[in-house]
Amino acid sequence: NAGVTQTPKFQVLKTGQSMTLQCAQDMNHEYMSWYRQDPGMGLRLIHYSVGAGITDQGEVPNGYNVSRSTTEDFPLRLLSAAPSQTSVYFCASSYSRWGPRYFGPGTRLTVT
Amino acid sequence: TQLLEQSPQFLSIQEGENLTVYCNSSSVFSSLQWYRQEPGEGPVLLVTVVTGGEVKKLKRLTFQFGDARKDSSLHITAAQPGDTGLYLCAGLGNEKLTFGTGTRLTIIP
Repeated sequence: NAGVTQTPKFQVLKTGQSMTLQCAQDMNHEYMSWYRQDPGMGLRLIHYSVGAGITDQGEVPNGYNVSRSTTEDFPLRLLSAAPSQTSVYFCASSYSRWGPRYFGPGTRLTVT
Repeated sequence: TQLLEQSPQFLSIQEGENLTVYCNSSSVFSSLQWYRQEPGEGPVLLVTVVTGGEVKKLKRLTFQFGDARKDSSLHITAAQPGDTGLYLCAGLGNEKLTFGTGTRLTIIP
């Protein structure tokens, strides 16, 4: 099993550009989530999904969209990139919203 | 808002020494998870503690959940360079998982 995979590993965007961060898991987990990690801020929840077709906002959702058309995939879309979105992004999955998180390797995004 | 404060924020010690890091909150959690994150990778779960006062051991690592389920500690005995990393606690409460800001541990050979 590959676990949780994320692409790309690194990305540089110009302000105003859009892009999609990909996330996939092969553990048949119902719960998937996106976090951003910034120095001194810990991991902050952006969006999450409790199953295919169901998504909800986390702590810092502004500027990001998600969709969940299948159990396996949970892409994160940046609509119009801003320098404040420079961060490391982690996708995580779990068997439930109460369970431990299995994290992907992360995407380091820089917005100039 | 549930907050989890970890201390110390940074810790650098010699190989072979013992250390303790702390995870504190004013909120009660139904369970608490500890993760370790190495540079360039995602966090990896080490342990989950559920019962107040619970102690779990993972080789040289000892995790304790406070009696009131508001705090937790991680004690490492005879630290080794492989223990270097960012240690994160995460508390589950009100169906929400809140992460602490982490303790960055460096073990010097």
